[in-house]
Amino acid sequence: DGGITQSPKYLFRKEGQNVTLSCEQNLNHDAMYWYRQDPGQGLRLIYYSQIVNDFQKGDIAEGYSVSREKKESFPLTVTSAQKNPTAFYLCASSPGHSTGELFFGEGSRLTVL
Amino acid sequence: SQKIEQNSEALNIQEGKTATLTCNYTNYSPAYLQWYRQDPGRGPVFLLLIRENEKEKRKERLKVTFDTTLKQSLFHITASQPADSATYLCALDNTDKLIFGTGTRLQVFP
Repeated sequence: DGGITQSPKYLFRKEGQNVTLSCEQNLNHDAMYWYRQDPGQGLRLIYYSQIVNDFQKGDIAEGYSVSREKKESFPLTVTSAQKNPTAFYLCASSPGHSTGELFFGEGSRLTVL
Repeated sequence: SQKIEQNSEALNIQEGKTATLTCNYTNYSPAYLQWYRQDPGRGPVFLLLIRENEKEKRKERLKVTFDTTLKQSLFHITASQPADSATYLCALDNTDKLIFGTGTRLQVFP
C-alpha cells in the first residue's frame, strides 16, 4: 500500500546528541515537509522540499537539518543546537507544492532526557 | 500580526447532534482552506478542501463553509457519532506554505 513511513515511532536522546528521523514515501510525490507539534500549539513548519536536491527553511529551521537525495526520502536531523527538541515530529508529502492536501506519516515522538 | 484561531477549549456534544467548529484567521488571504482530523498520537488525516471562490462544500456528513469577508471557516459534522471524537485542525495556504491552527478537540458522548 502507498503511504508515508516515519521511524522510529519513539526516540529518546541525551542532551548534546544529534538524532536523525527517517521519512520515506512511496506515493511518487514531489513535495515533502517536516512539521513539529507541541501541546497546545499548531503544526509548525521546519523544512520543506519541492524537488530532489533542493529544500527550503520553514518557520522554525534553527537547530535542524535535512537532505533530499532521493525523491522518496526526506530525513530530518535534530542537532544539539536545537534548544527544545522534545516534541512530536510529523512528515508529510503532496503531489506538488502548493497543490492541496498533505499526506502525513504517523509521527515520531522525540524525548530528550 | 498573522493569526489562525480555533477554539482551544474542547467541544462536547451528544451523539446525533451537529458539531460546529470555527476557524478564524487574520491578515491572510488564502486561496484555499483545508480541514484535517487528528487522533491522539497519530498524524493528521485530510478531510476537505474549500477554495476562496466556493461558499460551501460537502462530503457525506461533513460540511465546510468559507467566508472570505468574515475571514472564517465553519466545519460541521451532522448526526455526530462517538467515533467522530478527535482533534480537528484547519489549515490555510500562505504563499508557498500551509499554515495550521492549533485545533479543536471534539468529544461526542453516547
